[in-house]
Amino acid sequence: EVQLVESGGGLVQPGGSLKLSCAASGFTFSGSAMHWVRQASGKGLEWVGRIRSKANSYATAYAASVKGRFTISRDDSKNTAYLQMNSLKTEDTAVYYCTTAVAGPWGFDPWGQGTLVTVSS
Amino acid sequence: QSALTQPRSVSGSPGQSVTISCTGTSSDVGGYNYVSWYQQHPGKAPKLMIYDVSKRPSGVPDRFSGSKSGNTASLTISGLQAEDEADYYCCSYAGSYGVFGGGTKLTVL
Repeated sequence: EVQLVESGGGLVQPGGSLKLSCAASGFTFSGSAMHWVRQASGKGLEWVGRIRSKANSYATAYAASVKGRFTISRDDSKNTAYLQMNSLKTEDTAVYYCTTAVAGPWGFDPWGQGTLVTVSS
Repeated sequence: QSALTQPRSVSGSPGQSVTISCTGTSSDVGGYNYVSWYQQHPGKAPKLMIYDVSKRPSGVPDRFSGSKSGNTASLTISGLQAEDEADYYCCSYAGSYGVFGGGTKLTVL
């Protein structure tokens, strides 16, 4: 079974940092691009960024709203992707999902259960 | 990186068909055949319904279909069922990054 499990969410003060993890199983993680998508409470989905595979030089791309503050990385030996979030703002408060694209290069499936990040003083 | 434009809500009666539009630009929807659609029930993770404009993943009913014309993609749901009531989001590749639509709430009357 293809599965993604996020962890690491929690409460952090504005300006602080947090690192999320996404543990993958059931598919060839090392060959897959991994994406992060977030959703503020009652709001829509927002693409955060992605990291490609080693074959694609681990290339990363980010949404303008997080570029320069967030960094995506991966450890293929642990089948895990990470989202390092620095200089957090209250508007970064959201459920963060990791996902991949098993079907087609831009069809996100499956999704993890999400992890809640709350940025508040 | 502007969000794609979707209607905030659509509705239909059981058995009817509804179409949800997703309008972008030539830099996203119009420029690539990488439009996908997601269904999200309250408190749940999104579920892929359509990818590459019109392809259906295994397990998705053929009542769901996708298409694209110019800068606008569409999701059509035929033979509406009560369980189709949910939020629907489109997403497009936009050259290295991705962009979602604002979401459409489907109400089954």
